Amino acid sequence: EAQVTQNPRYLITVTGKKLTVTCSQNMNHEYMSWYRQDPGLGLRQIYYSMNVEVTDKGDVPEGYKVSRKEKRNFPLILESPSPNQTSLYFCATHGRSGGVIDTQYFGPGTRLTVL
Amino acid sequence: GESVGLHLPTLSVQEGDNSIINCAYSNSASDYFIWYKQESGKGPQFIIDIRSNMDKRQGQRVTVLLNKTVKHLSLQIAATQPGDSAVYFCAERDGGNQFYFGTGTSLTVIP
Repeated sequence: EAQVTQNPRYLITVTGKKLTVTCSQNMNHEYMSWYRQDPGLGLRQIYYSMNVEVTDKGDVPEGYKVSRKEKRNFPLILESPSPNQTSLYFCATHGRSGGVIDTQYFGPGTRLTVL
Repeated sequence: GESVGLHLPTLSVQEGDNSIINCAYSNSASDYFIWYKQESGKGPQFIIDIRSNMDKRQGQRVTVLLNKTVKHLSLQIAATQPGDSAVYFCAERDGGNQFYFGTGTSLTVIP
């Protein structure tokens, strides 16, 4: 079964305490991305990765880091979380058709609260 | 930047009626569009997609219409069921590798 998994699903932390949200996919997709979802703003892309060791900034990359050391994993790192990073985070992986990315598959989400 | 919006934030329909959810986009270079359904506490779920070289695409009980002239996208759900209650939002690909999402329309199906 095609799956995108995220861990943890829920996290409450304090300002400044480094955290990592993991994302893993079993579809052998090259393209992965991270989004945050906030009320009234929809999904906004944080970072994306076209392949192993290739990452690019999305629309809201400030305060986040990512790494792509292997195809199946794409962790999101918050080096020094702040309250404005309280949000619902989604990892997504993208299929490819005719050389361009298309259908996205989303993980179940990670609800992060930074106090 | 991209602007992807929805005409109505909420929509209520009677069970069995057809639902139409609309979306406007601003980037004429956008070449691929997706509709998603998101239920409470879950991640977005792919419903149907359409490429910019098409005007219409049909799935099971769903139809997507694309009007590139006015940069408008719609999702039609036939014979709406209570299980269709969710937030629906559209996404556009910018002709490259980035996707931009609308804020969503909350659909409520009245039994």
